[in-house]
Order: sequence, then structure tokens, then C-alpha cells
Amino acid sequence: QKEVEQDPGPLSVPEGAIVSLNCTYSNSAFQYFMWYRQYSRKGPELLMYTYSSGNKEDGRFTAQVDKSSKYISLFIRDSQPSDSATYLCAMKTTSYDKVIFGPGTSLSVIP
Amino acid sequence: EAGVTQFPSHSVIEKGQTVTLRCDPISGHDNLYWYRRVMGKEIKFLLHFVKESKQDESGMPNNRFLAERTGGTYSTLKVQPAELEDSGVYFCASSRASEDPYEQYFGPGTRLTVT
Repeated sequence: QKEVEQDPGPLSVPEGAIVSLNCTYSNSAFQYFMWYRQYSRKGPELLMYTYSSGNKEDGRFTAQVDKSSKYISLFIRDSQPSDSATYLCAMKTTSYDKVIFGPGTSLSVIP
Repeated sequence: EAGVTQFPSHSVIEKGQTVTLRCDPISGHDNLYWYRRVMGKEIKFLLHFVKESKQDESGMPNNRFLAERTGGTYSTLKVQPAELEDSGVYFCASSRASEDPYEQYFGPGTRLTVT
């Protein structure tokens, strides 16, 4: 079983839609939960992070962590064509700096 | 503030040859990481430097890979001899020493093709 599972998509939505991206994980030691956005031929860019459980909101983006279910989500409201990218969930423990990535979900927002 | 830079952006070599990838972290970042993404797989951690010291090299696949960070500034990752399965995108990331260890800033990557 992989440490982090993520539906690779591709996911295609119309502009203005609400997008829901999800990941599950198996390692209960993960405490930091991140979402990265990666455009084609670019490096991953940190969008949001959450420590332990709970919700975090930043503009059109909301990250949720449910440690009891080992499930994290990223919601994008009022999606824009510029949101078209691959979204990577990522996690780490407090003991090590290495980040464990999910395989990424490819998102296309159609004008 | 300049971001993480990597050189070259793309390298094509033959099996058995040697390739050296370079990473320049953000100025002032003591932590430097190497990751790679092979075709169809997720991005995987290779190793972590704190200044010039290797903090964690648990992700290095085998002894054909050698990473150095002389003087605690830029880092190189040498693959010798390269094999077909080494093809992929190699990312470098950096972060500050004592703040926000989860905020790793990634470079654009070096795309390595071994033929």
C-alpha cells in the first residue's frame, strides 16, 4: 500500500465550479499536510499547509484535514482557467523534513 | 529574491555516461533537498542537506548517485554510471533553518533522459 493515495484524474470542470481534491494516507505519524500546485514544466509551488487536524482557508482555497479518517481535501471555489494545473498533496512527520507526495491530480478549468 | 535555480534544464545522455546536476538554493536557506519524479510515479525524496552535512539520505536509490554540497551553498547530484531507469525529473528544494520547515521552495527541475 502506498503511503499517500490520490486520484490522478484528469479532472475537467467549467469555469466557476467548485473543485474538490482529495488524498488518503496510511502513516498516522504525519502531522504536516500540504497542497502544492504544479504547472507544466515548472516545480511544485506550495499552496497551503495545515498542521494536524482542522480547516484552513486562504482566498478561494480551503484545506481540510481529518486525521481520524486519514483523509485530506482541498476545495477551490469559483475556479478559474488559471487554476488549471496538477495538484499534489504532500505530508511529513515532525521527525523528518522529507516530504511524501501523492501522485497528483491533473485539473483543467474550461472557460 | 531569486528562487531556487537548477542547471541544466534538460540533459540527454547515453546509458553508462555520467551526468552532474546543479542546484542553487535561495540565499540564506541552510536546508537543501533533492527529489525526483520518474515517469508515471510520484515525486520521491532523495536526500536532505543542512548546510554542508547530509542530514537524511534515506531516499538515495543506490551508490551510483552522489550528492555534495561544498561550503553549504550550491549542491551537485552526480549519477555515474547512468542507467535507463534514472530518467525522470530531478527537483531541488530549499528552506530556512529554523522557520517553517514545511515551506520547501522548489526549483523548476532538471529533466534527465537516459537513452
